[in-house]
Amino acid sequence: SAVISQKPSRDICQRGTSLTIQCQVDSQVTMMFWYRQQPGQSLTLIATANQGSEATYESGFVIDKFPISRPNLTFSTLTVSNMSPEDSSIYLCSVEWGTGSGEAFFGQGTRLTVV
Amino acid sequence: SQKIEQNSEALNIQEGKTATLTCNYTNYSPAYLQWYRQDPGRGPVFLLLIRENEKEKRKERLKVTFDTTLKQSLFHITASQPADSATYLCALDASYNTDKLIFGTGTRLQVFP
Repeated sequence: SAVISQKPSRDICQRGTSLTIQCQVDSQVTMMFWYRQQPGQSLTLIATANQGSEATYESGFVIDKFPISRPNLTFSTLTVSNMSPEDSSIYLCSVEWGTGSGEAFFGQGTRLTVV
Repeated sequence: SQKIEQNSEALNIQEGKTATLTCNYTNYSPAYLQWYRQDPGRGPVFLLLIRENEKEKRKERLKVTFDTTLKQSLFHITASQPADSATYLCALDASYNTDKLIFGTGTRLQVFP
């Protein structure tokens, strides 16, 4: 199994500012995934982060708004840029454990409130 | 368009009964389907995975069925307990046998003593 540490666990930010969320995994993994969970909603995939290449973004998400770094096989960051109240959500990072197993492990999430 | 739907209403059942949650999908041909549990303020926790060639999978009090003809999965919790109260999410691989997961809307289960 994988243990994922995500920080900060929560933050309240002013609109127009940016927040960087960190995700640390206790094992090397090829792909890391970033999700958004809006209040009362399910998880929506933002992007897939591969080490050594640009992140792949899902429809509706762009790099300028959600830049992602993946400097090594155990760490990734997601930045929420130029925030507005609509960005208030829980942001989660995730990894798949075992190639093709499909089982995903999640961090505890970052609860972001934009005021 | 691709869609994954779960019981939109919360499910309230009495302790000891069997809870049955439904996951329906359209315009997907997944290699596998998964179920997760999510407690408030926490990330989802993996429970079970069932592959396209499997009809049923069990783990302790949990049972999952997968009908690729109906494009439906049923998730059962037998002898339910108040500690089973949580939101349950189904998830599919976004395209055949990839690592990307697409999640359903989730069903909130409340088990009363």
